[in-house]
Amino acid sequence: DGGITQSPKYLFRKEGQNVTLSCEQNLNHDAMYWYRQDPGQGLRLIYYSQIVNDFQKGDIAEGYSVSREKKESFPLTVTSAQKNPTAFYLCASSIKVAYNQPQHFGDGTRLSIL
Amino acid sequence: SQQGEEDPQALSIQEGENATMNCSYKTSINNLQWYRQNSGRGLVHLILIRSNEREKHSGRLRVTLDTSKKSSSLLITASRAADTASYFCATDVLTSYDKVIFGPGTSLSVIP
Repeated sequence: DGGITQSPKYLFRKEGQNVTLSCEQNLNHDAMYWYRQDPGQGLRLIYYSQIVNDFQKGDIAEGYSVSREKKESFPLTVTSAQKNPTAFYLCASSIKVAYNQPQHFGDGTRLSIL
Repeated sequence: SQQGEEDPQALSIQEGENATMNCSYKTSINNLQWYRQNSGRGLVHLILIRSNEREKHSGRLRVTLDTSKKSSSLLITASRAADTASYFCATDVLTSYDKVIFGPGTSLSVIP
């Protein structure tokens, strides 16, 4: 079955530590996205990528970094500069970056601070 | 400030009843999408309606779009317990082809 796999499902971060969230898709989509979801709020865009070796900042990129070395993979690193990392992180993909393309989502990673 | 906002924030109904959720947005759009999110899961795309469409159906879902009022509604008919989820509208910005903005969602509880 085609889809998006996020891992791990739960992640704990210590003070001053960087952590990396994995996102893999086998849908052959060019575009991939990372969103942050806080309770009672909508999704906020962190980063997106239109194609391999290219990515753009979203609305809340500070304290995060990404890479896109392979079409299938778009890992997100939450750095120690992100002072409030506790949230639900969602990865998505679409055929291309365009307003008329539905996005397909993974089942998320819940990040908490130890 | 958010482009789209759903109303109500929370809705509780009995199984078999219809559920209506609304989305209002601020600036002109090309399309509007509705997504569902079950607790602890990712979002699932339900339906996309273009700015030149007024109504669209998919199974028990009916979406309307009124561009003059900058609003959309999602109607779920004959609701089931399995419809319990949060529902989000997502709008684009007419001047930006690559930006889609999600509202804060409506939490729907369907009581068996």
